[in-house]
Formats: sequence, C-alpha cells, structure tokens
Amino acid sequence: DIVMTQSPDSLAVSLGERATINCKSSQSVLYSSNNRNYLAWYQQKPGQPPKLLIYWASARESGVPDRFSGNGSGTDFTLTISSLQAEDVAVYYCQQYYSTPPTFGGGTKVEIK
Amino acid sequence: EVQLVESGGGLVKPGGSLRLSCAASGFTFSNAWMNWVRQAPGKGLEWVGRIKTKADTGTSDYAAPVKDRFTISRDDSKNTLYLQMSSLKTEDTAVYYCATGAATGLGYWGQGTLVTVSS
Repeated sequence: DIVMTQSPDSLAVSLGERATINCKSSQSVLYSSNNRNYLAWYQQKPGQPPKLLIYWASARESGVPDRFSGNGSGTDFTLTISSLQAEDVAVYYCQQYYSTPPTFGGGTKVEIK
Repeated sequence: EVQLVESGGGLVKPGGSLRLSCAASGFTFSNAWMNWVRQAPGKGLEWVGRIKTKADTGTSDYAAPVKDRFTISRDDSKNTLYLQMSSLKTEDTAVYYCATGAATGLGYWGQGTLVTVSS
C-alpha cells in the first residue's frame, strides 16, 4: 500500500497569512501514460463530511475559492491557502488514488493564530 | 443537486452484523463508482472499499482490515449502495460515509452514519 505522510500535524496561521501543508507519498503517484498525478486534497470542518478541494494534484474543484492551490509531482505535494480566512479552519487530508487501496494522509489541522 | 444519504447505523455487539444503505439522487447512479470511507472517533479517514459500475465489471475492492467481513453491493434500479458488515469488531466503530469517485477523487460525500460496536 502507498503510505501518505502529511506535515505538519497542525499549524496556526494569522488571518490573511499563507498556510502550507505538505504531503509525501511512499511511491510515485504520477501515471506516466497521461502525465497526471493521482493526488487529491480534502477539507473537513467539524461535524461535516470531507469536501474535495483539489484533484490531479493541482486542479481545483468547481466552486473552490482560488486562494486554495495544489502543487507537486511524483511523491511530494503541497496544498497552499494563500490568504487564510476564518472559514478555512478545518482538517486537511491528502489522498492518493493511483493504486488500490486509495490511502489518506493523517490530516493537518489548521487553526487561527 | 447531488445527494447521498446514509442510513442503518447503530449499536451492535462484537461479532454481530449490520447493513448500511446509501440512497443517491441528483446524478446517474449507475454510471458512478461508489465508495465507503470510515472515520473512527477523533481519527482520520480510512477507505473501506468501492464498487465499480456494471459497465466496468461491477466488481468490488476492499481494504485489508475489512476484506472477507464486509461486502459492498449496489442496486442501480433503486439508486442505492449497500455495505453489509459481519463479524464486527470494536475497531470497526466509526462514522461511515458513502462517496462517489474514481479518476478525480471522491467528489460527493454523504453526511455519514455512526456504527458503534460495543458489548
């Protein structure tokens, strides 16, 4: 199974500042035939189900604010919130869907400083 | 509007069985790969399994901890996904979510149903 490792476990950022979350996979999730990284990011607020933010490592899901961006390729990925808003307080998960079983990172809790 | 509504959760004793349902609407259910994902209290997300569309063989895949104990099925005529759980263990206690998804991540999620395995 591909192991997904997120860092940090939590971070506190001031409103309007940048938040960066890292995700590393134990093997590449880049599918060479289409040059796509099979990596997604989710946001989960307390008491709610997860919400898809990013797929293909950098494609923003419809309706997701453009302050959320995804980057990376192969085994190293980042999710960046360019200007943190109060409503962005949540736990963020990365997930690989390159191989079965799909696996999630342990989550990163984002709070306001 | 896409809606996924899980039901069937509750309290069950270790070794017992339970069947969860996920009623889908707002999209062509028969064209969607469907997944179950669970979340133990205060913990992260764990993929449980998925079922492909009948056009894509209709087969299911499972996570190792539930393989041979859980069975995923679908009734496209009723737009409903099922998770039959047997030989339940205390470590199966979690909120169970159904979610659509294949090549672009898990796009739509239900609100989840809580399964508690305890004596």
